[in-house]
Amino acid sequence: ELKVEQNPLFLSMQEGKNYTIYCNYSTTSDRLYWYRQDPGKSLESLFVLLSNGAVKQEGRLMASLDTKARLSTLHITAAVHDLSATYFCAGVLPGKIIFGKGTRLHILP
Amino acid sequence: NAGVTQTPKFQVLKTGQSMTLQCAQDMNHEYMSWYRQDPGMGLRLIHYSVGAGITDQGEVPNGYNVSRSTTEDFPLRLLSAAPSQTSVYFCASSWTLRGGSYNEQFFGPGTRLTVL
Repeated sequence: ELKVEQNPLFLSMQEGKNYTIYCNYSTTSDRLYWYRQDPGKSLESLFVLLSNGAVKQEGRLMASLDTKARLSTLHITAAVHDLSATYFCAGVLPGKIIFGKGTRLHILP
Repeated sequence: NAGVTQTPKFQVLKTGQSMTLQCAQDMNHEYMSWYRQDPGMGLRLIHYSVGAGITDQGEVPNGYNVSRSTTEDFPLRLLSAAPSQTSVYFCASSWTLRGGSYNEQFFGPGTRLTVL
């Protein structure tokens, strides 16, 4: 059974600061996904990480994957208010895409 | 492309009533899934389908039925609604890749369901 754990679950940070969200998963996952959800909205895909050592970046967000440690990270550089949202990671078992509980990110001006 | 559509957007039911949440996609995706989202619980997989005629249970399937008669449609049926099924329901779809894994999922706008 695949379990996906994110931490922290809630993060309040100031604009301009850097921070990292962690995603641990319990068993081998073929790939790792990151999604963003704004309040009251649906989920939007950010990154798909395919293999060990994979790194993807878009704007101030960078995601990486370490399959040996079963760990993915989402790093935020010089945070801005527009990045306030809930971020989810998800792993894959055959047939099942399982999500973590999400990290609610609140960026203060 | 409309992407993934869900109807209705909002629904209020009384305990014991049944209803069907509709989900359709026009991207010819083989894989479709239903999640429920509750505060502090993230998204939990209810049922999924890897293609027309094939469905399977996810993490929290009790009280829900699904069918997949076409590639496009994946309705979710609540057999006898209970207050514990008050939630936001999301349908999602994605390509199935060679080797059996999945590409990124595209999510519908969600259905907010309240059971009184």
